[in-house]
Amino acid sequence: DAKTTQPNSMESNEEEPVHLPCNHSTISGTDYIHWYRQLPSQGPEYVIHGLTSNVNNRMASLAIAEDRKSSTLILHRATLRDAAVYYCILRSLYNQGGKLIFGQGTELSVKP
Amino acid sequence: GAGVSQSPRYKVAKRGQDVALRCDPISGHVSLFWYQQALGQGPEFLTYFQNEAQLDKSGLPSDRFFAERPEGSVSTLKIQRTQQEDSAVYLCASRSRSYEQYFGPGTRLTVT
Repeated sequence: DAKTTQPNSMESNEEEPVHLPCNHSTISGTDYIHWYRQLPSQGPEYVIHGLTSNVNNRMASLAIAEDRKSSTLILHRATLRDAAVYYCILRSLYNQGGKLIFGQGTELSVKP
Repeated sequence: GAGVSQSPRYKVAKRGQDVALRCDPISGHVSLFWYQQALGQGPEFLTYFQNEAQLDKSGLPSDRFFAERPEGSVSTLKIQRTQQEDSAVYLCASRSRSYEQYFGPGTRLTVT
């Protein structure tokens, strides 16, 4: 599975949008982009995933660059509960089991 | 519905003791994963089951680590002759058909 690069940390203000970037310049055409987050003292939590098109769900939006070499997780209105480590992970279509290779992630802090 | 549960939540073992960590996946999830998370790091893949078959154990760090899922539901991760470097949070996840993984809260193992 190809590698991703994320900033170590980001800060945001409560009730403002947050854009979390992820670079994956070696992504292949069959790599899915997954985002998970991990709140303090909890297991990781699925957020969203996509292949080529932008995706929306109740938690967030995923914007994928046209060349697919980068993507952005968008939290539309940050709350204090969104403070967590956010992981951007590539999963190959041929990785039939679906195991996840986590990097260091981005630690998001939210200021009231 | 019920999520993934793990027990015990905390375990303290003396060096050299054997430990067994239990995972109850979401009912009906065929795929089950174990991950190890050291302090300040992202989770690292240990092993993967599809039903009762262990299809990938490439992440197990040594032959002291053993996992089983005899009836295709509950899984146990066993660590024999624990060492201090085994201290970590052990996470279990089960996977939906759409490749979303649902994680349990983890078992924090401390080897003294």
